[in-house]
Amino acid sequence: ILNVEQSPQSLHVQEGDSTNFTCSFPSSNFYALHWYRWETAKSPEALFVMTLNGDEKKKGRISATLNTKEGYSYLYIKGSQPEDSATYLCASLGGTASKLTFGTGTRLQVTL
Amino acid sequence: DSGVTQTPKHLITATGQRVTLRCSPRSGDLSVYWYQQSLDQGLQFLIQYYNGEERAKGNILERFSAQQFPDLHSELNLSSLELGDSALYFCASSVGGRGGTEAFFGQGTRLTVV
Repeated sequence: ILNVEQSPQSLHVQEGDSTNFTCSFPSSNFYALHWYRWETAKSPEALFVMTLNGDEKKKGRISATLNTKEGYSYLYIKGSQPEDSATYLCASLGGTASKLTFGTGTRLQVTL
Repeated sequence: DSGVTQTPKHLITATGQRVTLRCSPRSGDLSVYWYQQSLDQGLQFLIQYYNGEERAKGNILERFSAQQFPDLHSELNLSSLELGDSALYFCASSVGGRGGTEAFFGQGTRLTVV
């Protein structure tokens, strides 16, 4: 993996469903992995910053895991609500570089 | 409110012109990042400054330049503008300079080149 890739590109779930998305990133020289939530007409908002292999973080109904050896992270949303509708971005940082490289995001739509 | 302020919110200008986008980071944040989001594209990293010095550079065109001032606000200068430069330009700030802490994004400046 040379770039940050996210899948699926978009997702449509019903209220109450649990869902998850994947972020794949270069595993060599890994430093940090960020998840952001981006609502339409707003700016991206940080959810998690993860640095350690096996790390798991949780904020309310949203949680994330990290596997730095194989270069992937999962974001889970339990019991999706309409207000969870947004684009979820991940970004990785590797080596001595300081730049966060973003994926193109997973667009989640939650309907009643 | 993230605490990051970007001005102006919208800008319409003609091809060949030059514009300056301004960013005031969150109080206490030393790093400023600039990103470009074009239609149907993700956030493309342009440049990062940390405490007044350039820290990292992305795919920033030679027609673009940036700087961070002693009060830590930053400006992104775009010159000889082309239609393809129309995009949403985001500024973000963070405490650290290595990306190990979360970045806080401004509301963005939407640039339209006509």
